[in-house]
Amino acid sequence: LAKTTQPISMDSYEGQEVNITCSHNNIATNDYITWYQQFPSQGPRFIIQGYKTKVTNEVASLFIPADRKSSTLSLPRVSLSDTAVYYCLVGSNDMRFGAGTRLTVKP
Amino acid sequence: DAGITQSPRYKITETGRQVTLMCHQTWSHSYMFWYRQDLGHGLRLIYYSAAADITDKGEVPDGYVVSRSKTENFPLTLESATRSQTSVYFCASSDVGGGLRTEAFFGQGTRLTVV
Repeated sequence: LAKTTQPISMDSYEGQEVNITCSHNNIATNDYITWYQQFPSQGPRFIIQGYKTKVTNEVASLFIPADRKSSTLSLPRVSLSDTAVYYCLVGSNDMRFGAGTRLTVKP
Repeated sequence: DAGITQSPRYKITETGRQVTLMCHQTWSHSYMFWYRQDLGHGLRLIYYSAAADITDKGEVPDGYVVSRSKTENFPLTLESATRSQTSVYFCASSDVGGGLRTEAFFGQGTRLTVV
């Protein structure tokens, strides 16, 4: 099973772009990369999913290099409400969350 | 109402007692998952199920039992509760499309305290 490594915490300011990188050196050929967001006392919420290159939706972009050994979640112009824990998951069957990255957005 | 619901939301039980946490989803999703989240930590996978009557162990299955006789239900039983099982438990479900497990939806969580 592919193990993921993310920074434990990050700080940013409102209006800035935030990039959170996840390492997954042992990713398998059929594994997808998925990111979730979790607020305190709530279950995680899906943000974005991708297999290769770039994926963009209304809230984020996901950049995946050709070797797929890492991925970067990009949050454009963050606000205070983006303060949360962000998880990177890799896999095709089970869903294993690591410790995640605690993002704090400051005014 | 469509969605995924967990019950109870809060539970206090005594050490050694058996307790069952319920999870119900209305989408007929193939996959269902159980996680525990200890205070200040990430989610750890307990068990998951790819379909009715198919279950697999996750990262921390010891002390837990699951069953899935119907697609929409995935109960989690603590056979003999211990204080170390005090945690918030999340259930989730997701479907499969084109061989890809799609986004998962989480329940609101069950806060379990074992005294």
